[in-house]
Amino acid sequence: QQPVQSPQAVILREGEDAVINCSSSKALYSVHWYRQKHGEAPVFLMILLKGGEQKGHDKISASFNEKKQQSSLYLTASQLSYSGTYFCGTEYTSGTYKYIFGTGTRLKVLA
Amino acid sequence: GAGVSQSPSNKVTEKGKDVELRCDPISGHTALYWYRQSLGQGLEFLIYFQGNSAPDKSGLPSDRFSAERTGGSVSTLTIQRTQQEDSAVYLCASSPSTGRYGYTFGSGTRLTVV
Repeated sequence: QQPVQSPQAVILREGEDAVINCSSSKALYSVHWYRQKHGEAPVFLMILLKGGEQKGHDKISASFNEKKQQSSLYLTASQLSYSGTYFCGTEYTSGTYKYIFGTGTRLKVLA
Repeated sequence: GAGVSQSPSNKVTEKGKDVELRCDPISGHTALYWYRQSLGQGLEFLIYFQGNSAPDKSGLPSDRFSAERTGGSVSTLTIQRTQQEDSAVYLCASSPSTGRYGYTFGSGTRLTVV
């Protein structure tokens, strides 16, 4: 039931782009994205509520494809501060309301 | 409060002892979650509270784990007869409602069972 994220890990050079995917077996109401730096709590980045909706701030954006039950996070012109583990949080119902995090993607940006 | 507050930040306990972990969510937030995160791993759902509704306890790993939320605010996660495999960071998160606003996490309690 846990959404699967890909890739599991990625290493980038500063300025390079990355895409992180989140795929669920459930029909989703929404997808959230979080970033967790080492030793810290996850921090909410953005929420996508509608199919096909794209959101973003700065050079981080995301899309949500309801039909494919997938979301992708796009990091462009990556900065050192982007390093961390990215989690998607998925909202759906399975008899009751559920909010489950994906498997996580470790991102390392090198100078 | 300004953020989600968890205490203690670190707890070392002997195997077999009981521990209580506390979470004080953001004032007015009706939704509250507990997650467990082992070293280098993902976020494992434990329990979910929403307002005055019965909590979703489906993620609790055994009957040694229990949680309550008093007055729709502060929550306590209790682990009885702790085992070494209980060692992890326990994170609490709250939201104004059911997920539509994203969740704000506390800094967590690092539990070490020796």
